[in-house]
Amino acid sequence: GAVVSQHPSRVICKSGTSVKIECRSLDFQATTMFWYRQFPKKSLMLMATSNEGSKATYEQGVEKDKFLINHASLTLSTLTVTSAHPEDSSFYICSARGDRGYEQYFGPGTRLTVT
Amino acid sequence: AQSVTQLDSHVSVSEGTPVLLRCNYSSSYSPSLFWYVQHPNKGLQLLLKYTSAATLVKGINGFEAEFKKSETSFHLTKPSAHMSDAAEYFCVVSETGTGRRALTFGSGTRLQVQP
Repeated sequence: GAVVSQHPSRVICKSGTSVKIECRSLDFQATTMFWYRQFPKKSLMLMATSNEGSKATYEQGVEKDKFLINHASLTLSTLTVTSAHPEDSSFYICSARGDRGYEQYFGPGTRLTVT
Repeated sequence: AQSVTQLDSHVSVSEGTPVLLRCNYSSSYSPSLFWYVQHPNKGLQLLLKYTSAATLVKGINGFEAEFKKSETSFHLTKPSAHMSDAAEYFCVVSETGTGRRALTFGSGTRLQVQP
């Protein structure tokens, strides 16, 4: 149980375009979802926390207008990178947590490359 | 505030020898502590977690970690390394005393296993 999927697993886009990444909890209801960014050979940095049906809470330094997060249902959250630039290239990982307990379950990640 | 320090960015061992990955933490509240493993271009897999129960925690794949409050440490060990253990390992802290329970990741330790 507690499986989280991400789609796509890998995406290449041109500079200036927008990219949407989906995060789904497959077998539980995720009241809270988290989006992380991982630079090459670096640790994970929390970008934002989203609760179903409410606005996401962004970490300091993360542009909310650039990284749009929607958590419209208990099983789906989306991260849209708007007007992507090469510096947005990274590995984006989501995690999900149910309404019981504290453990986060991580998705497999999405590698974004902006050319 | 909470933080995690992984003392070694890179550890190399021979197959069949013990593994020690060091982690020190800082937390204002009673912490929950985790070790995650990440294989190349993959998501995160939970190895084990400490949540104020037994201080010696056993995880998957023969890993275990001991919570030492006096030393603020949570080192990860395994008696005998296997080639498949080669990966990136992250020590993670979550403050249980706060509602948000966000995870803070250490910088990671890359484990290399020599044949």
